This record gives sequence, structure tokens and C-alpha cells, in this order.
Amino acid sequence: KNQVEQSPQSLIILEGKNCTLQCNYTVSPFSNLRWYKQDTGRGPVSLTIMTFSENTKSNGRYTATLDADTKQSSLHITASQLSDSASYICVVKGAGKSTFGDGTTLTVKP
Amino acid sequence: NAGVMQNPRHLVRRRGQEARLRCSPMKGHSHVYWYRQLPEEGLKFMVYLQKENIIDESGMPKERFSAEFPKEGPSILRIQQVVRGDSAAYFCASSPPSGTGNTGELFFGEGSRLTVL
Repeated sequence: KNQVEQSPQSLIILEGKNCTLQCNYTVSPFSNLRWYKQDTGRGPVSLTIMTFSENTKSNGRYTATLDADTKQSSLHITASQLSDSASYICVVKGAGKSTFGDGTTLTVKP
Repeated sequence: NAGVMQNPRHLVRRRGQEARLRCSPMKGHSHVYWYRQLPEEGLKFMVYLQKENIIDESGMPKERFSAEFPKEGPSILRIQQVVRGDSAAYFCASSPPSGTGNTGELFFGEGSRLTVL
């Protein structure tokens, strides 16, 4: 069964600090992995996409990594800002539809 | 270039009434997906449609829920005889046709929030 597990479930950090969110998956075959950001009361928005051959990809202060051998991905946020407070969702696409993780809720406090 | 449009944004229904949620995909997109998000929970897949066809409805409850994506007009998610447990945010996403540079990215609407009294 295809599954995507994210950790931690929630995280609180101080503004300016860094943090790393984890995603483990069992989706097979693997096509790509995306990280989405969902602000409270809004729809998710794609942050980055990782394909099988990519190890690292950056989008501003967001850096995603992928280890296709261990089936793990991480999202690193540098110098966090209050606007980073959101739910971060890992989505893995296989042969069929995408499989969603339950998300990590990040709260950035001043 | 308008994004995915969902309406209504908020809908209140009494138990036993019907709820209809509409979704207009992005221009040029022919794939539509519906997801349900309960409070404090993740997005759960409900149904995947292409024009006039239901491709995958494995996440749809067997009773009271139906979805369509007609040749003309928006996709509709219909919930009959609503119950309090149907209270949730319902998100629609769209993607372009396969083989047109489709990387699988889903473009989401802002959701329709259903409250059942």
C-alpha cells in the first residue's frame, strides 16, 4: 500500500531559526515528490518538485532533499519568518494518483 | 490567467439538505480532483475526473456523494442528505492533460467550507 508519513506532526520555532521537516514514503513506482505549503484557510501551493535523479533543490529559503534509495525527503527552511507559519504537505506521485502525507504544522513565533 | 475557482467559499446547510460545490479548473486543464479536509487533519482524496468521465472514485463515500465534470461548465461535488460529519473543507485541484508537460503538479482552489448544523 502506498503511504507517505511526515514528521514531526507539529513544530514551534522562533523567528529567524532554521528547521527541517521529514517525509518518508513507500510509493512505488516513484515518479516525483512535491512539497506543498498550505496557509490557514487557503489551498495548498507547490513549493518544489523532486524527481528521481535530483538530490537537492532550492526555492529561496526552502531547500528540499531527496534520497530515492531510502525513500526519504526533507524540507529545510532557513531563517524562518512569521509568514512561514503553515502546514507543509509532502505529496508523492507514483504510477497513478498522488499520495498525500498528513502534513507538518509549523508555527513561527516572534 | 485565473486559477482554480471554487464556489461557494462558505456554505451552511441543515441536516438532511443537499450541498452542491462547484469547481472551475484552470484554463486548459482537463483533469479535476476533489479532496476533503476535516479540521486539524490532512487532505484526503475523494475523486478524480476528466471531462465527462470519472477516472477514480476510490475515495468517495459509497452513499450520498457524487461528482461530475460535464463537457461544458464546472465540476460539481454533490452531497445529499448532509450529516454533521460532512462538515469539512472541500478542495478542488486541476492539472493539464497528460503528455503536455504535465509534471503532476496540482493547482488547488481556495476550498469550499461546508458547515452542517
